[in-house]
Amino acid sequence: HITLKESGPTLVKPTQTLTVTCALSGLSLSANGVGVGWIRQPPGKALEWLALIYWDDDTYYTPSLKNRLTVTKDTSKNQVVLAMTNMDPVDTATYYCAHRMVEASGAFDVWGQGTMVTVSS
Amino acid sequence: QSVLTQPPSVSGAPGQRVTISCTGSSSNIGAGYDVHWYQHLPGTAPKLLIYVNKNRPSGVPDRFSGSKSGTSASLAITGLQADDEANYFCQSFDSSLRGPVFGPGTKLTVL
Repeated sequence: HITLKESGPTLVKPTQTLTVTCALSGLSLSANGVGVGWIRQPPGKALEWLALIYWDDDTYYTPSLKNRLTVTKDTSKNQVVLAMTNMDPVDTATYYCAHRMVEASGAFDVWGQGTMVTVSS
Repeated sequence: QSVLTQPPSVSGAPGQRVTISCTGSSSNIGAGYDVHWYQHLPGTAPKLLIYVNKNRPSGVPDRFSGSKSGTSASLAITGLQADDEANYFCQSFDSSLRGPVFGPGTKLTVL
C-alpha cells in the first residue's frame, strides 16, 4: 500500500524559495522504475505538471519553469524534495506529489493530499 | 489555458449515464499518446479511475469506462450515484511541452 504525503510552508514571501517535501511509504525510491512527479493546481485553475524524478536520478521539468525548479531525492529518508526559486503570487497553488505507474504511459496511480502554498508579502 | 479541453460541468440523475469528453490535438491525444482519468474531491488526493485509455485500477467499479478516438477521449459513468459527485480530469502527454498535460476538469453534479 503506497502512500505519499506532502509537507512544506503554507506561506512564502515573493522572491523567496519554496521547498516542499514528499514522504513516501510502501515503496522504495531506489527500486527499479520508481518515479515521482510534482503537480500543482492554482485556485480555480487546471492542474499543471512541474517535475519528475526517477529511481536513477533522471529528472524532467516543465519547460516554462525549468530555470526555477530543482527536484531531488533522499533515498535514506525515502523523500522527494521540490525547490522552486523566486516565488511569485501567481505560484499560489496546492502542490501535489504523485507516484508514476510503471508501464502505464505516465499515469499517476497514487497522489498525496497536497499542500497549499500561498505567496504573499 | 489548458492544452486539453473538457466541459466545465455535466449532470445527471441517479442511475443515469453521463459522459465527459477530453479533447486534445495532434501534439498529444491525436499523436497517439494515452489518456488517463482521475476523480478529485476538494481537499483530497486525486484518484486514478482509468489508465491507458480504458483500463481500470483494482477497486474501481466497472461503472467507469474510458475510450479514445482521434484527438479525443471520453469517460463514461453509468448507474450514477450520489458519491460520484466530484471533479473529473483527464491527462495525456504533449510532445510540444515534453511532459504530462491535464485537462481543466469537469464538475459532475448528481441531481
